[in-house]
Amino acid sequence: DTEVTQTPKHLVMGMTNKKSLKCEQHMGHRAMYWYKQKAKKPPELMFVYSYEKLSINESVPSRFSPECPNSSLLNLHLHALQPEDSALYLCASSQGPSNQPQHFGDGTRLSIL
Amino acid sequence: GESVGLHLPTLSVQEGDNSIINCAYSNSASDYFIWYKQESGKGPQFIIDIRSNMDKRQGQRVTVLLNKTVKHLSLQIAATQPGDSAVYFCAEKHDFGNEKLTFGTGTRLTIIP
Repeated sequence: DTEVTQTPKHLVMGMTNKKSLKCEQHMGHRAMYWYKQKAKKPPELMFVYSYEKLSINESVPSRFSPECPNSSLLNLHLHALQPEDSALYLCASSQGPSNQPQHFGDGTRLSIL
Repeated sequence: GESVGLHLPTLSVQEGDNSIINCAYSNSASDYFIWYKQESGKGPQFIIDIRSNMDKRQGQRVTVLLNKTVKHLSLQIAATQPGDSAVYFCAEKHDFGNEKLTFGTGTRLTIIP
């Protein structure tokens, strides 16, 4: 079992809906990440939070809005998504801005109708 | 430009044999490398990492080799088991303090019983 928990595991939403993906870790990690993974492709970095502050935004469209309420939680707010946004969204955490491995959750499988 | 690539997209190995998965990278400034295993329906699972000041690192049944001269990374899995069947990704990071991880394209390893 992964130590990074993501909810929900599956989400189907229409293009006009607003939904949120949630991620939680209790390893005391100070860096948290959102990745997008399309089928048969590697994960692609979207956002990085370091010490609860957004440190990297990989030019992600504004219909994706990250939030880090505290050091254990990471949210990704979704609004007006497009069908091409259907993918597996992965959350990860690491001890901090150093050469330490990122640990991933099992993701949220998102389908946009 | 920066890229992380794999030599083979698929690899089939007889159960009990050793397997070697290769990865090439182009950024000579890369200083940290990680191997992940991703099973169907799950997030990437950390296997082993290596820093650029090392040539070799061993874990349980796995060995990572780093050749900085030719910018090549490999993952050796000893005595493969059916549970080793998965997609394996190499990933690299450069600049201490930069949390961005760049993934390779992945190799699907299939263990033949």
